[in-house]
Amino acid sequence: NAGVTQTPKFRVLKTGQSMTLLCAQDMNHEYMYWYRQDPGMGLRLIHYSVGEGTTAKGEVPDGYNVSRLKKQNFLLGLESAAPSQTSVYFCASSYSLAGRYEQYFGPGTRLTVT
Amino acid sequence: AQKVTQAQTEISVVEKEDVTLDCVYETRDTTYYLFWYKQPPSGELVFLIRRNSFDEQNEISGRYSWNFQKSTSSFNFTITASQVVDSAVYFCALPNTGNQFYFGTGTSLTVIP
Repeated sequence: NAGVTQTPKFRVLKTGQSMTLLCAQDMNHEYMYWYRQDPGMGLRLIHYSVGEGTTAKGEVPDGYNVSRLKKQNFLLGLESAAPSQTSVYFCASSYSLAGRYEQYFGPGTRLTVT
Repeated sequence: AQKVTQAQTEISVVEKEDVTLDCVYETRDTTYYLFWYKQPPSGELVFLIRRNSFDEQNEISGRYSWNFQKSTSSFNFTITASQVVDSAVYFCALPNTGNQFYFGTGTSLTVIP
């Protein structure tokens, strides 16, 4: 059972380049999330999805887009990367009603924008 | 909106000492859940515990215990007889009814052998 996986694990981008981070879960969870973690800031929610084909904005959505075409996958896109997007990105999933159930996290993607 | 405060940024203890990590929260919800996660040096986030606001009984799991006090809006985490493997960043989290988790800024615990 792989749980939550993220691709890639590391990436270096130049300012203005684009990329997509892929998150996959094999637990048949309805809810999926993208967070960024910055030193001294904890984890902050970027976007989330309550089901296939639906997405919603979190606390820090600017500069990011997401898509959930399949229940098991949640993609995070950066259209024009900026140095301020240098961070560690975590994907998570939960069974349902995330306020009651724990979120399961992927291993993270370390992104550096130069 | 939910708010979680972990005032202790870094804590260092010597192995076998007890240590308490503080978590203070704010919410207008009458029913809510609180969570603790551990992030070891390897980077992954590991779920430790979930607590319902209706249940104020302390919880103990091995060397770990949690003290939930609604009157002071606190959900503190104590490690008894700390070990080097306990070295990690610990996060307290409070979700809202819209399914968004709000994390504290974390407490970095270093256990010195």
